[in-house]
Amino acid sequence: AQSVTQLGSHVSVSEGALVLLRCNYSSSVPPYLFWYVQYPNQGLQLLLKYTTGATLVKGINGFEAEFKKSETSFHLTKPSAHMSDAAEYFCAVSEASNDYKLSFGAGTTVTVRA
Amino acid sequence: NAGVTQTPKFQVLKTGQSMTLQCAQDMNHEYMSWYRQDPGMGLRLIHYSVGAGITDQGEVPNGYNVSRSTTEDFPLRLLSAAPSQTSVYFCASSYSRTDRTTIYFGEGSWLTVV
Repeated sequence: AQSVTQLGSHVSVSEGALVLLRCNYSSSVPPYLFWYVQYPNQGLQLLLKYTTGATLVKGINGFEAEFKKSETSFHLTKPSAHMSDAAEYFCAVSEASNDYKLSFGAGTTVTVRA
Repeated sequence: NAGVTQTPKFQVLKTGQSMTLQCAQDMNHEYMSWYRQDPGMGLRLIHYSVGAGITDQGEVPNGYNVSRSTTEDFPLRLLSAAPSQTSVYFCASSYSRTDRTTIYFGEGSWLTVV
């Protein structure tokens, strides 16, 4: 079974500052890892995913994440926050044998200060 | 291309009433699933289907039924609504032959049980 822990339910950053959202996972097999973003009253949009290959993954809107197996982590970063980045972010994990079944973290709400 | 379509978007039910949340996808995806989203808990898998005629339980299946008579449709039935089923429900689909880790989510259905 797999699970995800997102550290920090709320993160507040200044516009132009680094965004860092932390995600740790547990999985008995090599994981597939995802970051989704949800804007108010909307569905989920995939930011990026790691399945195999390069451990540094680049996604949409300037976000990237690095898979670190030794630390069981998949932290999401963006060098410079924009007001439009205010949203809720979810880390999720699946396993190769059931990669359509996601286990989600509790989510991190990002607010961006002008 | 409509993607994943959920109806209704908003619904208020009285305790004990039954209803069906509809989900349809027009992408010929084999895999479909239902998640519920609750504050501080992320999304949790209710039921999923790997193809027409095949369904299985996820993490939180109690109080819900599903069926998959066609590839396109995957309705979620609440048999006797309870206040604990107040939540936002998301339907999702993905495709097996190319990349089933690309999961498409619907826009959500907000359900309140009073």
